[in-house]
Amino acid sequence: AQSVSQHNHHVILSEAASLELGCNYSYGGTVNLFWYVQYPGQHLQLLLKYFSGDPLVKGIKGFEAEFIKSKFSFNLRKPSVQWSDTAEYFCAVSPYTGTASKLTFGTGTRLQVTL
Amino acid sequence: NAGVTQTPKFRILKIGQSMTLQCTQDMNHNYMYWYRQDPGMGLKLIYYSVGAGITDKGEVPNGYNVSRSTTEDFPLRLELAAPSQTSVYFCAASVGRGGVDTQYFGPGTRLTVL
Repeated sequence: AQSVSQHNHHVILSEAASLELGCNYSYGGTVNLFWYVQYPGQHLQLLLKYFSGDPLVKGIKGFEAEFIKSKFSFNLRKPSVQWSDTAEYFCAVSPYTGTASKLTFGTGTRLQVTL
Repeated sequence: NAGVTQTPKFRILKIGQSMTLQCTQDMNHNYMYWYRQDPGMGLKLIYYSVGAGITDKGEVPNGYNVSRSTTEDFPLRLELAAPSQTSVYFCAASVGRGGVDTQYFGPGTRLTVL
């Protein structure tokens, strides 16, 4: 079975600081990778996803992530965070099995952006 | 196009009571899922369905039941509520293209069992 590790549980940044959130997964086969964001009081929204092709993927609101297969990593980055980025961020992986894409989530990283 | 909707938003149950969490999607997606999210944890898959009449267990199915009589609806049933089922429950739907697929989530139901 696959697993996902998010090493940063709580990150506090000032506005305009750069962000990098770590995500590592364990699975021996082909995977699809996702970052979801959950703003306070809201449901999960897709931030970006990687299925195949260019390992550097761009998502909404200026976020990007890089898939490094050799490191089993899919880290999320943003050059300059805003106060409105305060949220919880979840990395998720699903194996490419040809059936239902059962997601395995990491425990999440709470990002707090201060003014 | 409302996407995935869930009712109720909040519910308090007593131990041993039963209830059904409703989930409806208007995207005509084949696949639907139920997750629970405990404090400080990621989401864990309870049950999923690949189409009407077809359901299967996820990672944490004990204490829950599901049915899928239509494409649109995927209710989650708690028969004998226990404090361990206190959680936030999310329903999701996806088109269903095997592993190349994106799940879209509902707003969640916050359930407390006392």
